[in-house]
Amino acid sequence: QITLKESGPTLVKPTQTLTLTCTFSGFSLSTSDVGVAWIRQPPGKALEWLALIYWNDDNQYSPSLRNRLTITKDTSKNQVVLTMTNMDPVDTGTYYCAHTGGWTPDYWGQGSLVTVSS
Amino acid sequence: EIVLTQSPGTLSLSPGERATLSCRASQSVGGNYLAWYQQKPGQAPRLLIYDASNRAAGIPARFGGSGSGTDFTLTISRLEPEDFAVYYCHQCATSPLTFGGGTKVEMK
Repeated sequence: QITLKESGPTLVKPTQTLTLTCTFSGFSLSTSDVGVAWIRQPPGKALEWLALIYWNDDNQYSPSLRNRLTITKDTSKNQVVLTMTNMDPVDTGTYYCAHTGGWTPDYWGQGSLVTVSS
Repeated sequence: EIVLTQSPGTLSLSPGERATLSCRASQSVGGNYLAWYQQKPGQAPRLLIYDASNRAAGIPARFGGSGSGTDFTLTISRLEPEDFAVYYCHQCATSPLTFGGGTKVEMK
């Protein structure tokens, strides 16, 4: 079955760079039409789509965060990495990765809570 | 960017009642690539409906999706106690992908 799990620091300081890793199983990112997305959720607020990488290395970013985000994949390790530069307290929240088969995020990780504070 | 507006913000209903949730898009959602998710406190979102009207695997038949273009609806025919949660719509047709602000279904 498909599973995903996010990992990374729980606490980062303002201006630092956040690196989150999504490790998955049950599918391959070399299979046509497969992608992995990152979505975040500030405490008590709505979901916000961040970035998406496809099997063919095509990627998409949220326009408002494009200059701070980089998404990459390591197919051999079954991992997708998201980096976000210049972290700010408003970036505090739970960060999810999700499998997309076709267009829709269908399987999600449990989420990784990241707090930005000095 | 396609903006998704969900209404109402909160729906207060009793178990057994019918819930009707709305998601309106600022422009047409191509291919009706509109999904609905359920989220309970402390949990990741769970896919309920994809492509506007298709139930995801394992989702009970009381959940139904309808609509096309700019107007979409999630209907829960008879609320069960476990259905009280927050529901989000999500368009995955046009980059940037976007989510609605959510509708909370609370017990009356």
